[in-house]
Amino acid sequence: DTAVSQTPKYLVTQMGNDKSIKCEQNLGHDTMYWYKQDSKKFLKIMFSYNNKELIINETVPNRFSPKSPDKAHLNLHINSLELGDSAVYFCASSQLGAADGKLFFGSGTQLSVL
Amino acid sequence: RKEVEQDPGPFNVPEGATVAFNCTYSNSASQSFFWYRQDCRKEPKLLMSVYSSGNEDGRFTAQLNRASQYISLLIRDSKLSDSATYLCVVTLNDYKLSFGAGTTVTVRA
Repeated sequence: DTAVSQTPKYLVTQMGNDKSIKCEQNLGHDTMYWYKQDSKKFLKIMFSYNNKELIINETVPNRFSPKSPDKAHLNLHINSLELGDSAVYFCASSQLGAADGKLFFGSGTQLSVL
Repeated sequence: RKEVEQDPGPFNVPEGATVAFNCTYSNSASQSFFWYRQDCRKEPKLLMSVYSSGNEDGRFTAQLNRASQYISLLIRDSKLSDSATYLCVVTLNDYKLSFGAGTTVTVRA
């Protein structure tokens, strides 16, 4: 059983399109995250939700809109995709926020904007 | 200044060697520290926490120096399977982990 699953694994699309990435965790965790890993390998936090409430919005353009319908799901919708959005997007979850450092990551979504 | 800085490497070492590397963090109020491991094209996974007194997990030893704001990781008796990128991670608040860009280690036969 995959603990944190995100789909799709690969996403290739044209500039200007709108796309969504879905994430689900079956660990019973309260906190979920979206991270972006760019070509320089930096993992940067984008959003954090705790029990469906937005906790962190890390100066991400408002073209990115997270949605958490319940605490097991955190989806990411991106409008008007730009070349610079190309990256790997990781969803993650944790039980105790960042306190114990134990984040469980999904396998990532490689987004390529052409 | 980046919140967490690491020497990107790569560190190329033969099997059985010892390899060590550091990371520095900028926020002196940071509370918790960790090392994650990321294999090529895979997700990061927690390797170990870093405690103030230093700690070991098998062949891996982590140290924390709060005064100088750096964390280290030492790998003894390197195995081929230790080849990966090691990410230094620092908590900035209850919900935010800040990741370094990683140090790449390649262990050769």
